[in-house]
Parts: sequence; structure tokens; C-alpha cells
Amino acid sequence: LAKTTQPISMDSYEGQEVNITCSHNNIATNDYITWYQQFPSQGPRFIIQGYKTKVTNEVASLFIPADRKSSTLSLPRVSLSDTAVYYCLVGDIFNAGKSTFGDGTTLTVKP
Amino acid sequence: GAVVSQHPSWVICKSGTSVKIECRSLDFQATTMFWYRQFPKQSLMLMATSNEGSKATYEQGVEKDKFLINHASLTLSTLTVTSAHPEDSSFYICSAIRDREGTQYFGPGTRLLVL
Repeated sequence: LAKTTQPISMDSYEGQEVNITCSHNNIATNDYITWYQQFPSQGPRFIIQGYKTKVTNEVASLFIPADRKSSTLSLPRVSLSDTAVYYCLVGDIFNAGKSTFGDGTTLTVKP
Repeated sequence: GAVVSQHPSWVICKSGTSVKIECRSLDFQATTMFWYRQFPKQSLMLMATSNEGSKATYEQGVEKDKFLINHASLTLSTLTVTSAHPEDSSFYICSAIRDREGTQYFGPGTRLLVL
């Protein structure tokens, strides 16, 4: 299983763009990268998933360089409600591969 | 779409009793579901992989006789904590993989408190 490394915490202010980077040096060919958001006492919520280059949806963008050894979750114009823990998962999703959660990044958005 | 529910959302029980937690994929079929536990201020720890129609696969260090998993249908997996003890108190979260898509979708979690 690919091990992931993220910053433990990040602070931001409302309206700013936040970029959270995840390192996954031993990612395998079949592995996808998925990001989740978790609020206290809730299950993780799917944010975005990608394999390479750039993926964008209505809430975030995911940037993956050519070597795929890292990925960056970009949250545009964060608000106070974006304060949460963010996890990146790496795993072979199409073979129902299990993924290991890293420690996640606690994002605190300040007014 | 891709909604996963858990029941109950919280449970308090006496030491020595058994507790069953249900995980349902409400609007999709899930051949594979995962069970996690999470302690306060910690990350999610994978306990086991639940496959419909077959035995669950447990992670190292997880007692299969204590945490019984049954994946009886494509929309339901259950986790039974047998003879629960205070150290089993935790937040239990399931996830389901939507077939042909591969993405994990998580339930809201079940808070277990063993007195």
C-alpha cells in the first residue's frame, strides 16, 4: 500500500485559496488518488479523485504531476465551514483495493 | 447518489454485551465494503474488508472472533462487536465501493460507548 504524507495542519483566512499537498512516493501504476473531508464525529466525505494531470469539480481541483509521486488539492475561496481534516488516499480502486489513511491535514479557516 | 447509511448512529452498552452495527448502501450496489475505527484525534484505521457472499478479510491485529462481519447482500454489511469491553469504545465507520466505479463512499459513523 502506498504510504501518504501530508502536513499536519494549515491555517487560512476566508476567501483565500488553499493548497494541500500529499506525498505518495511509492504509488503503483493502478493506484488512483482520492481526497476526503472529515468533520468531527462524521464519516469522511468524498471531494475529488484523479489519476493524472488535473481534475476539477464544483468544489475543488486536483493537480497531479507527471511522476504522480505527489498531488495537490486546491480549494478556491475557502469559508469557515471548510474547517475540517482533509485526507488523501491512494489505492487501486478498480480492484477494490484497500487504502490506508494517513494522518490527514487539519485545515483551520479563520475569519 | 452514493449514499451510505449506518445504524445506529450511537450506542451505549454494558461491558460483556454484543452490539451490531449495520452499514447500507442506499442507492447503489456494493460488492465490497470496508470497516474502520477511529479514536479521538486520530486517523481512520482499517479493520476489515467485507465482500458480499464471502468471508471478510481482517487486518493484522484485528480479532475476527470479536469483530464479526457479515456481508449478506449487495447493499448491507454488518459488524458485530461481541462481548464488548470499554476499550472497544470508539467511532466505527463503514465505506462502500460503488461497483464499476471504485470510489469509496463513507457512512456517517457509529459512536460506541461501552460502560
